[in-house]
Formats: sequence, structure tokens, C-alpha cells
Amino acid sequence: NAGVMQNPRHLVRRRGQEARLRCSPMKGHSHVYWYRQLPEEGLKFMVYLQKENIIDESGMPKERFSAEFPKEGPSILRIQQVVRGDSAAYFCASSPSVGTGAWGTEAFFGQGTRLTVV
Amino acid sequence: TQLLEQSPQFLSIQEGENLTVYCNSSSVFSSLQWYRQEPGEGPVLLVTVVTGGEVKKLKRLTFQFGDARKDSSLHITAAQPGDTGLYLCAAAWGNNRLAFGKGNQVVVIP
Repeated sequence: NAGVMQNPRHLVRRRGQEARLRCSPMKGHSHVYWYRQLPEEGLKFMVYLQKENIIDESGMPKERFSAEFPKEGPSILRIQQVVRGDSAAYFCASSPSVGTGAWGTEAFFGQGTRLTVV
Repeated sequence: TQLLEQSPQFLSIQEGENLTVYCNSSSVFSSLQWYRQEPGEGPVLLVTVVTGGEVKKLKRLTFQFGDARKDSSLHITAAQPGDTGLYLCAAAWGNNRLAFGKGNQVVVIP
């Protein structure tokens, strides 16, 4: 049973280019979460999606960042016109369902995509 | 402000020693999770604690949830080099989001 798959593992982009990060959740999981990890700052929530719906994007920067989880295919985190400050590790997590009022269901993380903007 | 404060940030001990790290907050949580993250990898869930005062054991790791459900501790007995890693505590809040602490970096020296 494959875990959460993220690709690419490493991505280098020049300033101004676009970065597309992909996440395939575990089989049977319909909830996807994206987190960003910066050195010295820890993991920060970005967005929570279900199939074809954005449930919570309160952690997403207002500009240049977008996410989708289409009916078919992986979830995509898209960063337009990247800047050096976007360099970070981006993690995707998935869970099969929402817990009862809290995170009552285990979530599983992928290995992350390390984005470097040069 | 950080919702979850983890201390100490960094801890280096000799193999065979015991250690305890902490995760504290002024907020009350319905549950709290501990993860371990190794360099270049994603966090791996170790345990979820739900009930105030709950103690869970995972081999040589003992996790405790505070009575008031505001804090948690992780105790490792007879640490081994394989225990080296970044230990993260996380709590659910808002719309199924997880808030993470900055982590306890543990290094076990052979």
C-alpha cells in the first residue's frame, strides 16, 4: 500500500518562474493538506482540500499561490512567479476522513518537495 | 505567537541515557499528536493522545497528556542512536488544521 507520494522531491526554479508540486494521497484518502516548513519556523498549515473543493485556505499567501485537488489525478500546489522567500520544504498529508470535532483520524505525510529558488 | 512551545529546542545525550522533552500551550486541545521527522523526510506519526492524564507507551517512548489537556511530554528510556530525530508535537484546531510546534531536535551519540 503506497504512502503519500509527492513529486518532485527536489525542484529548482529561477526567480519569476512557476513551481508545480504534486501530491497523490494514500489510496482511499479523500482529504489532502499542504504544509510548508521553513528552517527555524516549523511546519505551517497552508490549505485543506477535498476532491474538487477547497475547504480551508487560510494559510495560503494571498497572491501567487493556488491549490487544487481535481476529481481525477493528484493534488497540485502551484506557485507563480517564485521568489527566494518561497524556498522551503512543502509537505502534503492525507487522511481518509475528518475526525469527530478534532483530528481524530490519523494523517500521513509525504516525503516532501524541497523547492529552491535561485 | 506560537500555539505550541516545545522545549528544549535541542538536546544531545549519550546512548543509554534517558531524556524528556516537552510541548506546552496555554490552549486546551481535544487531542495532541507526536511525530518524528528525520532529515529529508516527512513527519511520521508516533502517537495521538486524547484523554487528560493519558499515558501511552511505544516501546521505549512514553507519551503523557497533561491533566488539563494543555501540554504533553515525551520520555525516552535508554536512548539509542536510532532515536535521533526532530520530534514534533501537533494539535488540531480550526477547520481540521494541525498546528505544529517548532520541534525538539534530539541527537543520541553512540
